Amino acid sequence: DVKVTQSSRYLVKRTGEKVFLECVQDMDHENMFWYRQDPGLGLRLIYFSYDVKMKEKGDIPEGYSVSREKKERFSLILESASTNQTSMYLCASSPFAAGSNEKLFFGSGTQLSVL
Amino acid sequence: AQKVTQAQTEISVVEKEDVTLDCVYETRDTTYYLFWYKQPPSGELVFLIRRNSFDEQNEISGRYSWNFQKSTSSFNFTITASQVVDSAVYFCALTINTNAGKSTFGDGTTLTVKP
Repeated sequence: DVKVTQSSRYLVKRTGEKVFLECVQDMDHENMFWYRQDPGLGLRLIYFSYDVKMKEKGDIPEGYSVSREKKERFSLILESASTNQTSMYLCASSPFAAGSNEKLFFGSGTQLSVL
Repeated sequence: AQKVTQAQTEISVVEKEDVTLDCVYETRDTTYYLFWYKQPPSGELVFLIRRNSFDEQNEISGRYSWNFQKSTSSFNFTITASQVVDSAVYFCALTINTNAGKSTFGDGTTLTVKP
């Protein structure tokens, strides 16, 4: 069964801490994404990556960075966590498909609380 | 820019009732894809359906059906004879024809089915 795994289901951090959220997929997908989900705001795209070492900003990249050193792993980094980054973070992946768009496969999410 | 509107924030029905979740989208692209995802309480979004902009045929899958109308830019989702297990947050999403599969999501509709 195909899988997107996020390293933590719940995470509690202090303001100012550097936070790493890890995501691994076992489907050999080219595309990987980080979304954040907030009540009433749906899913908003933070960053995405088409390939190893490639990254592009999504709609709300401020305060975040990403790393993709290996195809299967896409990390989201909060350089200095702030309380307004308390949210549910969802990782997703999809295969490359020329001339088409494939569905997203999601992880179970990481609920991050910044105190 | 793309936009997806799910006007219904919350819907509550009694088991066996039919329920329709509305989705209205905006895009200037002529080639695009529409999706519905289900997010149960466990948190992981699960793909339900994908439709491309050239295929306006309605689709039925068991108790689920989808009505795609380009004339009104709508892609509505109907659950017939709802069940308690249908309780979840449902997201409509739009992707224009790029390689990345970067999706724009609506804010989601929380469906509660009471026994």
